[in-house]
Amino acid sequence: EAQVTQNPRYLITVTGKKLTVTCSQNMNHEYMSWYRQDPGLGLRQIYYSMNVEVTDKGDVPEGYKVSRKEKRNFPLILESPSPNQTSLYFCASRTGGGYGYTFGSGTRLTVV
Amino acid sequence: SQELEQSPQSLIVQEGKNLTINCTSSKTLYGLYWYKQKYGEGLIFLMMLQKGGEEKSHEKITAKLDEKKQQSSLHITASQPSHAGIYLCGADTADKLIFGTGTRLQVFP
Repeated sequence: EAQVTQNPRYLITVTGKKLTVTCSQNMNHEYMSWYRQDPGLGLRQIYYSMNVEVTDKGDVPEGYKVSRKEKRNFPLILESPSPNQTSLYFCASRTGGGYGYTFGSGTRLTVV
Repeated sequence: SQELEQSPQSLIVQEGKNLTINCTSSKTLYGLYWYKQKYGEGLIFLMMLQKGGEEKSHEKITAKLDEKKQQSSLHITASQPSHAGIYLCGADTADKLIFGTGTRLQVFP
């Protein structure tokens, strides 16, 4: 089954403790992206990647890092999480032609 | 930058009633997506429209893109409690999907 898999689904952590949210897709998509969703602010892009070793900042990249060492994986790294990064995070992928985005099931992160 | 505005923000309908949600773009749409989201859960893909005047249907949901490609509507016929959730429109750009503000739909018996 074609899908984008995020892990974990839920995570509670403390301020300053480094964490990684993983994202993997099995559709050989070139493009992958991370979004965060917050009440009243909607979905905002954090980082995206057009292909392996090619990443770029989205609208709200501060406090986040990403890497794209292989096509299928696009982890989101929070080096020193803060409470304002408490949010619902989504990973998405699409083909290079831009036809059809597939979203993961989401990761609900709480930073205390 | 492109912006999407959805209306209404919230909708409460009785089961069996028809309803329409609108999505208006500040720029020409080259790919318009409709998603449904249950509170706090993932995005469920509904439909994608690309051509002016295009219309697609799936079960009781119909989406249209106007000829000028700046407005889309989502119409639900004979609504059911299973239709409840947040409906999001998304515009495809070169590097991301830009989302509308969302429409929260509640369906009561």
